[in-house]
Amino acid sequence: DQQVKQNSPSLSVQEGRISILNCDYTNSMFDYFLWYKKYPAEGPTFLISISSIKDKNEDGRFTVFLNKSAKHLSLHIVPSQPGDSAVYFCAASANSKLTFGKGITLSVRP
Amino acid sequence: EAQVTQNPRYLITVTGKKLTVTCSQNMNHEYMSWYRQDPGLGLRQIYYSMNVEVTDKGDVPEGYKVSRKEKRNFPLILESPSPNQTSLYFCASRWDWNTEAFFGQGTRLTVV
Repeated sequence: DQQVKQNSPSLSVQEGRISILNCDYTNSMFDYFLWYKKYPAEGPTFLISISSIKDKNEDGRFTVFLNKSAKHLSLHIVPSQPGDSAVYFCAASANSKLTFGKGITLSVRP
Repeated sequence: EAQVTQNPRYLITVTGKKLTVTCSQNMNHEYMSWYRQDPGLGLRQIYYSMNVEVTDKGDVPEGYKVSRKEKRNFPLILESPSPNQTSLYFCASRWDWNTEAFFGQGTRLTVV
């Protein structure tokens, strides 16, 4: 059973607009959440994280929101840039284990 | 430079021929993991290690072995590779449960 779900396989947005990437989880034990970005032929790179005791964390153009009651988190990218086009993975940590979603492919159109 | 290094980057092998993919990190991280990435399935954890001599199964451990004799190294061993282990493999390390993981560049394995 998949504990971290990214239900939309792809998202296309116009340059300069907001990109919203969603992620749902089922395991209540998850207490730390992360977003990773991945380009082809490269390893995933860390983007932003949030602890379960917070509901928002911001870093430049990237903001992650956490809704614990809904077991939902989202990544907002504002403004979106063509260089943001990549696969984005949501991940959640419980104890020693880090579990990833299937990823979502973001395409930012010039 | 802080990094996770995997070798080899590309490997083509035949069914049943034992192989090892090496992983080394220079950040003195406690935690290390192996993942495989397959189309439509995302990143699935194979094995992870919380410290030297401490390892545990992830979500897809069948057909794989690992060892953690030193903190910096975490090799992935395929004793008898099969075609369904053809995949893109990533090694990762992190300092603690609530810190980000650093990934290697990946190993593209093809088993024929």
